[in-house]
Amino acid sequence: EAGVVQSPRYKIIEKKQPVAFWCNPISGHNTLYWYLQNLGQGPELLIRYENEEAVDDSQLPKDRFSAERLKGVDSTLKIQPAELGDSAVYLCASSLAGGGNTGELFFGEGSRLTVL
Amino acid sequence: SQKIEQNSEALNIQEGKTATLTCNYTNYSPAYLQWYRQDPGRGPVFLLLIRENEKEKRKERLKVTFDTTLKQSLFHITASQPADSATYLCAYDQTGANNLFFGTGTRLTVIP
Repeated sequence: EAGVVQSPRYKIIEKKQPVAFWCNPISGHNTLYWYLQNLGQGPELLIRYENEEAVDDSQLPKDRFSAERLKGVDSTLKIQPAELGDSAVYLCASSLAGGGNTGELFFGEGSRLTVL
Repeated sequence: SQKIEQNSEALNIQEGKTATLTCNYTNYSPAYLQWYRQDPGRGPVFLLLIRENEKEKRKERLKVTFDTTLKQSLFHITASQPADSATYLCAYDQTGANNLFFGTGTRLTVIP
């Protein structure tokens, strides 16, 4: 069974440029998360989807970040324009409906963003 | 607001010994805690989930305890091996809305 797939694995851009990350969750997983992880820190939640609905986006900096999950499967996280401080690893995770209370989160390998 | 703290950034132990990692939380007791392993350049991998009404959970060489009086979870790896070297993250549901929040992690190094 395929795991959570993210692309690209690495992205280097100049500040003020846009960037987009794509995530394909495990088949059948209704819940999808985007996390941000800075070096030496734990993952920080950005947004959580239940199917196509963003049920918690309170941690998403909406002035420059946006996300969508069309048809309740794949998801895209976009940053426009990127700032130096956005350099981090962006992790996507999925789980069965109910989120962490019912079991584990499955993470992708992450997309490492470097903003110059 | 609720905080979760892993109070060791790094832990070095000798092969064969038991590694004990600590996760502390403030304020109210979460309904459950989860533990994950993360290798460099990889995403976290789920290890164990323990609920507040469970004192202890085991999986092979791993053991997790949950003490609501001390507001603490302990994660043990017995008979540690160099392959156990990784960062271990604890995570909990801060708001009861099934959003998982992570601690900063403890980097474990098992020395041969």
